[in-house]
Amino acid sequence: ETGVTQSPTHLIKTRGQQVTLRCSSQSGHNTVSWYQQALGQGPQFIFQYYREEENGRGNFPPRFSGLQFPNYSSELNVNALELDDSALYLCASRPSYSGNTIYFGEGSWLTVV
Amino acid sequence: KQEVTQIPAALSVPEGENLVLNCSFTDSAIYNLQWFRQDPGKGLTSLLLIQSSQREQTSGRLNASLDKSSGRSTLYIAASQPGDSATYLCAAPAYNQGGKLIFGQGTELSVKP
Repeated sequence: ETGVTQSPTHLIKTRGQQVTLRCSSQSGHNTVSWYQQALGQGPQFIFQYYREEENGRGNFPPRFSGLQFPNYSSELNVNALELDDSALYLCASRPSYSGNTIYFGEGSWLTVV
Repeated sequence: KQEVTQIPAALSVPEGENLVLNCSFTDSAIYNLQWFRQDPGKGLTSLLLIQSSQREQTSGRLNASLDKSSGRSTLYIAASQPGDSATYLCAAPAYNQGGKLIFGQGTELSVKP
């Protein structure tokens, strides 16, 4: 049990639609990051939030955006969905900026058709 | 730019065998390296976190080593069991990019009864 919960667990969207994925972290975990994991690949860093501000971004287009809230929850929003966005999206949190063990949620499986 | 490689991509062993999983990284200026386990369709579970000041870290039947000079880490699993079957991922932090982790593609381990 990592204390990180994600919703929904599975969803199917149509190309061009928008999706919002949600994550709830442990109390005190003020750093949250999101990763995309395609089938058979390692997770790829999308972005990181620290105290509600984005402070790091991977090689993903602006249609990938996020929010972090004071209650340790966060969102990943993806606009104009493409077929290649089909993947497992993982939320991870940690109690400080860097250096400590990171805790992952179970992920949200997104299928774009 | 940090790159992480895991070899082999897949490994099948009989129950009871001791085994070693390999992880290589290109940027030796890391402050830690982490090993994760991922069951099919699930999120990541942290197994071991090795700080740069350590050479080894142990948890039960698992032992992880870190050699920064050679850019290598190994995960040793003693007396493997069918329940160890999963994908094992290593991750190194990206240099000067906060908590961003760079993952290898993973080694899919199958332990046969």
